[in-house]
Amino acid sequence: NAGVTQTPKFQVLKTGQSMTLQCAQDMNHNSMYWYRQDPGMGLRLIYYSASEGTTDKGEVPNGYNVSRLNKREFSLRLESAAPSQTSVYFCASSEEPLADTQYFGPGTRLTVL
Amino acid sequence: GENVEQHPSTLSVQEGDSAVIKCTYSDSASNYFPWYKQELGKRPQLIIDIRSNVGEKKDQRIAVTLNKTAKHFSLHITETQPEDSAVYFCAASNAGNMLTFGGGTRLMVKP
Repeated sequence: NAGVTQTPKFQVLKTGQSMTLQCAQDMNHNSMYWYRQDPGMGLRLIYYSASEGTTDKGEVPNGYNVSRLNKREFSLRLESAAPSQTSVYFCASSEEPLADTQYFGPGTRLTVL
Repeated sequence: GENVEQHPSTLSVQEGDSAVIKCTYSDSASNYFPWYKQELGKRPQLIIDIRSNVGEKKDQRIAVTLNKTAKHFSLHITETQPEDSAVYFCAASNAGNMLTFGGGTRLMVKP
């Protein structure tokens, strides 16, 4: 039981490049989330998927897209990376949407030059 | 939307002392208040949570109190140990709304 896994662990991009961050959970959770964490700040929600087949914007969705591929997988895509997107990205999952215990993945450290 | 403020941003205590971290929230409809611990370079992990039908909850050395009238909640850690050193985040949400996190408190426990 791996919980929530993320790939890659680290990534360096040049401005304008695109990439997809992958997330998977094996806890049969209904809901999944993408957060970003900037130095000295709390976590800010980018997008979430309350259940398979649905996605909704969070607090800071601009510059990102998501896909809930199936119940297990939720990907985050940066179409044209910008230096302001340099951050640590965490995926999380919970059994019920939003007001429920969220389990986090190990994070992806992204640097955009 | 919800706004969560957390104080202090850093807290240094001597091993064995107590530590208290406070959070205030703005949305009176919020009813779920978790606390997460994040060690350096690691993922956030839930340590305790409370729902609005409960005023206090304890788990060994950790307790959380909630004052819905004043819209604030606090984390209390007693008999602190060096392994309690980490960044602690509070959060608040209501059913149907996203979890909003506070800015974090860096707790340092000096041996």
